[in-house]
Amino acid sequence: KAGVTQTPRYLIKTRGQQVTLSCSPISGHRSVSWYQQTPGQGLQFLFEYFSETQRNKGNFPGRFSGRQFSNSRSEMNVSTLELGDSALYLCASSFSPGQMNTEAFFGQGTRLTVV
Amino acid sequence: QKEVEQDPGPLSVPEGAIVSLNCTYSNSAFQYFMWYRQYSRKGPELLMYTYSSGNKEDGRFTAQVDKSSKYISLFIRDSQPSDSATYLCAMSAGSNYQLIWGAGTKLIIKP
Repeated sequence: KAGVTQTPRYLIKTRGQQVTLSCSPISGHRSVSWYQQTPGQGLQFLFEYFSETQRNKGNFPGRFSGRQFSNSRSEMNVSTLELGDSALYLCASSFSPGQMNTEAFFGQGTRLTVV
Repeated sequence: QKEVEQDPGPLSVPEGAIVSLNCTYSNSAFQYFMWYRQYSRKGPELLMYTYSSGNKEDGRFTAQVDKSSKYISLFIRDSQPSDSATYLCAMSAGSNYQLIWGAGTKLIIKP
């Protein structure tokens, strides 16, 4: 069974641009969460989606947004990129929100570099 | 002060040694305690989780939670070079609460 797939794996963008990252969850998983990982900061929660609805949102500015489609695939968008947005963006999926903490599977992440 | 503190390392030990990885936390409401392993250029994978206090063992790995001290540990016995990775602790107040993550400890097992 295929794992969580994130595309693209690597991105280089210029300050001020916007970017869209994609996440395809494991087949049958309907809950998707996004995290930002930077050195020394661990994983910071961005948002969680279930059945196309955002259930939770982390403490990030409005430049960070996301959505989930009817096939459970999810995208996140960052507008007006800043140098500090350079990070590894991780997506995790689970069958349901209640299992996100204990039975979630992560993708390999998208490495975003803002120059 | 961060809610979850974890020494970033790196921690370098010889093959076969017992490894001890630790996290401290400040929120007494945390009930779920997780350990994840993350290899370079990969996403985290769940190793073990513990609910409330006590120990849990899975093969060479043992997780301990001491809620009175707000301290959790992961022990790795008979460490192998393949155990070299970053180990992240994470915890939450409940199954529907967001995980709060430590920054991760980089572990290096020398052959």
